[in-house]
Amino acid sequence: AQSVTQLDSQVPVFEEAPVELRCNYSSSVSVYLFWYVQYPNQGLQLLLKYLSGSTLVKGINGFEAEFNKSQTSFHLRKPSVHISDTAEYFCAVSGGSNYKLTFGKGTLLTVNP
Amino acid sequence: EPEVTQTPSHQVTQMGQEVILRCVPISNHLYFYWYRQILGQKVEFLVSFYNNEISEKSEIFDDQFSVERPDGSNFTLKIRSTKLEDSAMYFCASRLEGGGETQYFGPGTRLLVL
Repeated sequence: AQSVTQLDSQVPVFEEAPVELRCNYSSSVSVYLFWYVQYPNQGLQLLLKYLSGSTLVKGINGFEAEFNKSQTSFHLRKPSVHISDTAEYFCAVSGGSNYKLTFGKGTLLTVNP
Repeated sequence: EPEVTQTPSHQVTQMGQEVILRCVPISNHLYFYWYRQILGQKVEFLVSFYNNEISEKSEIFDDQFSVERPDGSNFTLKIRSTKLEDSAMYFCASRLEGGGETQYFGPGTRLLVL
């Protein structure tokens, strides 16, 4: 069984500030890790993913995430956020033969001017 | 860029009615999924579909739910007799076989059961 915990339900930040959205997972098998973003009234868009190799992965819009196997974490970071980054961010894991996704509850990032 | 599409974007129905939610996956993808997101809650897996059959389903996916790929392009989710608790956003996703395990999501159908 797999589970994902997103430790912060809401993260308010000011524009141009750095941000970190935290994600921890548990799984009995090897997993792949994802961050999806959901803008208001839109679907889920892939931000970045970790499949294997380098533990630091870079995604779209200047986001990056680091896979830490010992801490079972996959935190998302951006050094300087913009107003347009305001959205809900979902961490997810997949594994097993069907690669279904198990999502966290999401973190609402609100960027204020 | 190819994308997953879903229709309708919104649907309102009366309790007990049947609804069919439609999805057109990315054309060369072979794995298809349905997820739902009840307002304020996490996105939950419902069912996966491969080679014209269900490959996995969750506890949520009971006998009132069914999926079908009727014509090689559409992928549908049918709810036979809707309940109030079926009100949610339903997302379709597709994945290319062997393609880095990324699922591409549609924009969703917001279903409201009254």
